[in-house]
Amino acid sequence: AQSVSQHNHHVILSEAASLELGCNYSYGGTVNLFWYVQYPGQHLQLLLKYFSGDPLVKGIKGFEAEFIKSKFSFNLRKPSVQWSDTAEYFCAVRSPRDDKIIFGKGTRLHILP
Amino acid sequence: GAGVSQTPSNKVTEKGKYVELRCDPISGHTALYWYRQSLGQGPEFLIYFQGTGAADDSGLPNDRFFAVRPEGSVSTLKIQRTERGDSAVYLCASSWGPGQGTQYFGPGTRLLVL
Repeated sequence: AQSVSQHNHHVILSEAASLELGCNYSYGGTVNLFWYVQYPGQHLQLLLKYFSGDPLVKGIKGFEAEFIKSKFSFNLRKPSVQWSDTAEYFCAVRSPRDDKIIFGKGTRLHILP
Repeated sequence: GAGVSQTPSNKVTEKGKYVELRCDPISGHTALYWYRQSLGQGPEFLIYFQGTGAADDSGLPNDRFFAVRPEGSVSTLKIQRTERGDSAVYLCASSWGPGQGTQYFGPGTRLLVL
C-alpha cells in the first residue's frame, strides 16, 4: 500500500531563513506527487505538483520541490521564508491508476516575525 | 460555482444520531472525492465518484458510512448511528476527471459527535 512520511511535525523558523521540508513515499510504480498547504482558517490549496518531466518543480509563492526517484523523496524548499508562510504543509502521492490521494500527516510551519 | 462548497460548515450531533454532509463541486467537474481529516492527521481518502457512480469506496470505514451523487453533481455523505470517533473534518474535492490533474478542495465540514 502507498504511504507518505513527512519528517517533521512542527518546524519553527525566523523570517528570511531557508526552508526544507522532507517527504518520502512508498510506492513502486509511477506516481504523481503533490504538496498542499493549509493557511490558518483556510482550506487546502495546491502548492505544486509533479506528474512527469523536469524533477525540479516550481510552485506558487516561491516554493519548489525536487523529485528524486532513487530516494522516493519529494522535498519542499523555499530559499527565504516569510511570516505569511505560516501554515500546515501536506505532502501527498497518487497512483494514476486509482486516483485517490494519500496524504502525509502534515508539517506545521511557524515563522517568527 | 467558483470553488467547491460544503454545508454545513459545522455540525454538532449526539452519539447515535444520523447526519448528512453536502458537497457542491466545481461546475463541470466529473470526479468528486470525500476525505476525512482527524486532529493531527492528514486527510484520509473515503470514496470517490466518477459521474453518478462510486468508482472507489475502499476508504469508507464501515457500513455506517454511505455517499451518493444521484445526478453527477452534488454529493451527500451520510453517517448513521454516529459515534464519538466519527468526529473529524470531512473534506470534499473535485477534479475534471480521474487522473485529470488537480483535486480542488472545499472548506470542509467540522463534525463533532458528543
